[in-house]
Amino acid sequence: KAGVTQTPRYLIKTRGQQVTLSCSPISGHRSVSWYQQTPGQGLQFLFEYFSETQRNKGNFPGRFSGRQFSNSRSEMNVSTLELGDSALYLCASSSGPGLRTDTQYFGPGTRLTVL
Amino acid sequence: GENVEQHPSTLSVQEGDSAVIKCTYSDSASNYFPWYKQELGKRPQLIIDIRSNVGEKKDQRIAVTLNKTAKHFSLHITETQPEDSAVYFCATIPFNFGNEKLTFGTGTRLTIIP
Repeated sequence: KAGVTQTPRYLIKTRGQQVTLSCSPISGHRSVSWYQQTPGQGLQFLFEYFSETQRNKGNFPGRFSGRQFSNSRSEMNVSTLELGDSALYLCASSSGPGLRTDTQYFGPGTRLTVL
Repeated sequence: GENVEQHPSTLSVQEGDSAVIKCTYSDSASNYFPWYKQELGKRPQLIIDIRSNVGEKKDQRIAVTLNKTAKHFSLHITETQPEDSAVYFCATIPFNFGNEKLTFGTGTRLTIIP
């Protein structure tokens, strides 16, 4: 099976713009979760979607939003970008709902740089 | 909210020796504790996890122990090999019906010295 894919892999934006990142899970997986990774804050959980519904949400402002489509592909949107949003954004997929799973597979990430 | 402290931040171990990484958490409702390995430039990978009804879990050279009373859990790697060099993250999920959050430790950079 193909692994988790994320597009684009690299992105450069300026402050105030918005950005949309995409994640395609492993075929058959219905759960997609998103994470932000920065040198200063480490790994932080953003949210998790299962069957087009947001199930769990981390402590990020409303500028960070997401959605999931019927084919399980997920998008994450960040509006009004700030310099501090520069990070590696990772998504992970798993077959079942929730985060307590031993089959969570990460994608390669999207490197977002905000200038 | 949950706070997870991870120590040490860096660890160098001679090949063949053991490595131990420890995490402490604050939320007594935490009941799931995964460990992730992230090699340089690569994505995180779940390597082992433990649930709160178990005190220890082992998978070949990797083991995780949990002390619920003291609120800490540890990753043990025995007979370390060069390919064990990576950053390791612990994490917790507290039980919270309707909204569970995965909280990560700050990471430990493990270097295996040949």
